[in-house]
Amino acid sequence: KAGVTQTPRYLIKTRGQQVTLSCSPISGHRSVSWYQQTPGQGLQFLFEYFSETQRNKGNFPGRFSGRQFSNSRSEMNVSTLELGDSALYLCASSSQGWEQETQYFGPGTRLLVL
Amino acid sequence: DQQVKQNSPSLSVQEGRISILNCDYTNSMFDYFLWYKKYPAEGPTFLISISSIKDKNEDGRFTVFLNKSAKHLSLHIVPSQPGDSAVYFCAASGGDKIIFGKGTRLHILP
Repeated sequence: KAGVTQTPRYLIKTRGQQVTLSCSPISGHRSVSWYQQTPGQGLQFLFEYFSETQRNKGNFPGRFSGRQFSNSRSEMNVSTLELGDSALYLCASSSQGWEQETQYFGPGTRLLVL
Repeated sequence: DQQVKQNSPSLSVQEGRISILNCDYTNSMFDYFLWYKKYPAEGPTFLISISSIKDKNEDGRFTVFLNKSAKHLSLHIVPSQPGDSAVYFCAASGGDKIIFGKGTRLHILP
């Protein structure tokens, strides 16, 4: 089975811009969760989508949003970028959801905001 | 087969005392461990983590201990406060996987 894929792998943006990241889950997986990883803040949970519906949301401002398509691919959007948004963004897929079973990470998108 | 187990579904602790939440794992490939806190209707919030090269990590009132030989980690909260009442999840990560436990509900009693 192909693993989780994320595009793009690297991205450089400037403050105030917006960015869209994409995640394709493992075939058959309906749950996609997004995480933000920074050295000082650990692995923060952003949100989870299951069957095109946001099921869980972490403690992030409204500038962070996402969606999931009927083929389970998910996108995450960050508007009005801030320097502090520089991080590695990971998505993880599973069959039923983050609470219930193993999630598989993609390689991540490293975002640098200048 | 649960690879990450939190054997206590709930725990009650007096305010001001120490809360100890436990987590066991089975797979030696895990090399990074995390604790999350979750309030109803919200997603999990990252609390503290520890890498397998350490046996202790401290952040304010929260300390995580890792015993690799026993495949056991614990979260200590000292002193416990009313706002600590929530569900606590441990998670184990290694390679390209992360697995969450089923959670322990912590009640802080006045």
